[in-house]
Amino acid sequence: GQSLEQPSEVTAVEGAIVQINCTYQTSGFYGLSWYQQHDGGAPTFLSYNALDGLEETGRFSSFLSRSDSYGYLLLQELQMKDSASYFCAPVPPYNQGGKLIFGQGTELSVKP
Amino acid sequence: EAGVAQSPRYKIIEKRQSVAFWCNPISGHATLYWYQQILGQGPKLLIQFQNNGVVDDSQLPKDRFSAERLKGVDSTLKIQPAKLEDSAVYLCASSLDHDIQETQYFGPGTRLLVL
Repeated sequence: GQSLEQPSEVTAVEGAIVQINCTYQTSGFYGLSWYQQHDGGAPTFLSYNALDGLEETGRFSSFLSRSDSYGYLLLQELQMKDSASYFCAPVPPYNQGGKLIFGQGTELSVKP
Repeated sequence: EAGVAQSPRYKIIEKRQSVAFWCNPISGHATLYWYQQILGQGPKLLIQFQNNGVVDDSQLPKDRFSAERLKGVDSTLKIQPAKLEDSAVYLCASSLDHDIQETQYFGPGTRLLVL
């Protein structure tokens, strides 16, 4: 079977650091993507981890541990505009013809 | 580079009516996806096209939903007849190819309200 777990809500203050965790169980796995979606907006690609370890893109970093079926998104120097929903999405192997799986997402609220 | 275009942006219909949504993906993107996103949930894939062929439509309610991508470029998604539970945002996305699913580019979506 397939399952995906993220916290439903996270609250933090401006300037802080927040970590959004993601645990997954999938029948096949190639990598882990992260998407951001502002209220009323479209999901926007943030990052992708194909290998274990940390990928850094500006204030955002994403981590993957294949052995633990676990990843996280790290947001530093939080800004009000970071208030949004964040989705982790396991990527299936090409030869399995699978589909990106989006969970319920984590709603991040950044307070002043 | 122009993004994924969708129309209409909003649609209100009564149950049992029909509705159609249109999507134009990013130029050169072979793979096109239609998602349904119900309020408070993540996007759920309805159908995936590779050029003009269907790759995955396992979650498409085929008794009422249909989709086509005749020339391998733009696509239409139709609901006939609509039910109350079809109220959602319908997102179209595209990616360069089937094996680059990790980076999908989403359009602004069509917000459907079925009364």
